[in-house]
Amino acid sequence: DAGVIQSPRHEVTEMGQEVTLRCKPISGHNSLFWYRQTMMRGLELLIYFNNNVPIDDSGMPEDRFSAKMPNASFSTLKIQPSEPRDSAVYFCASSPMRKNTGELFFGEGSRLTVL
Amino acid sequence: GDSVTQMEGPVTLSEEAFLTINCTYTATGYPSLFWYVQYPGEGLQLLLKATKADDKGSNKGFEATYRKETTSFHLEKGSVQVSDSAVYFCALSHPANAGKSTFGDGTTLTVKP
Repeated sequence: DAGVIQSPRHEVTEMGQEVTLRCKPISGHNSLFWYRQTMMRGLELLIYFNNNVPIDDSGMPEDRFSAKMPNASFSTLKIQPSEPRDSAVYFCASSPMRKNTGELFFGEGSRLTVL
Repeated sequence: GDSVTQMEGPVTLSEEAFLTINCTYTATGYPSLFWYVQYPGEGLQLLLKATKADDKGSNKGFEATYRKETTSFHLEKGSVQVSDSAVYFCALSHPANAGKSTFGDGTTLTVKP
């Protein structure tokens, strides 16, 4: 079975540009999570969805960040405008909420560099 | 709120040495506990888990026991290999909260030949 698929794997952009990161969760998983990982702050939960509905976005750093999940198989995380301090690895993870295991399945991440 | 505290790293060991990475937690109720491993350039992947007190999770020679009395979930391996070099994360989750997890800061392990 395919795991969580993220794209792009690497993105280099200039300050002020819009960045869109994409995620396809594992089929049948109905919880989706966006995390950001940096050396300074470690792993931070940005937002999560249950059944395509945003449940908790308290980790979204500011209004420049937005996330959507238009259907069960696709989610986006958008940064507009991007800033150098947004440089990080962004992970998407999914979970089979119905089974209540609590286990997360992570994608390989999108490494963002904002110059 | 919930929190997870891991022993500070980095940890450097010689091949075949014994490994312990300490993890303690603060949480209400009865969370599930996890160890995730992250190899360079990859995402986190589940290493082992335990869902109730006194459960022992094990995988690939790694073990951890859910100790409710000491609120701990220490990771151990009897003989590490160079291929075990990675970052290890302790985490907890309340299944009733749809799998929202709380992670520790991660411990970097380097195993030298």
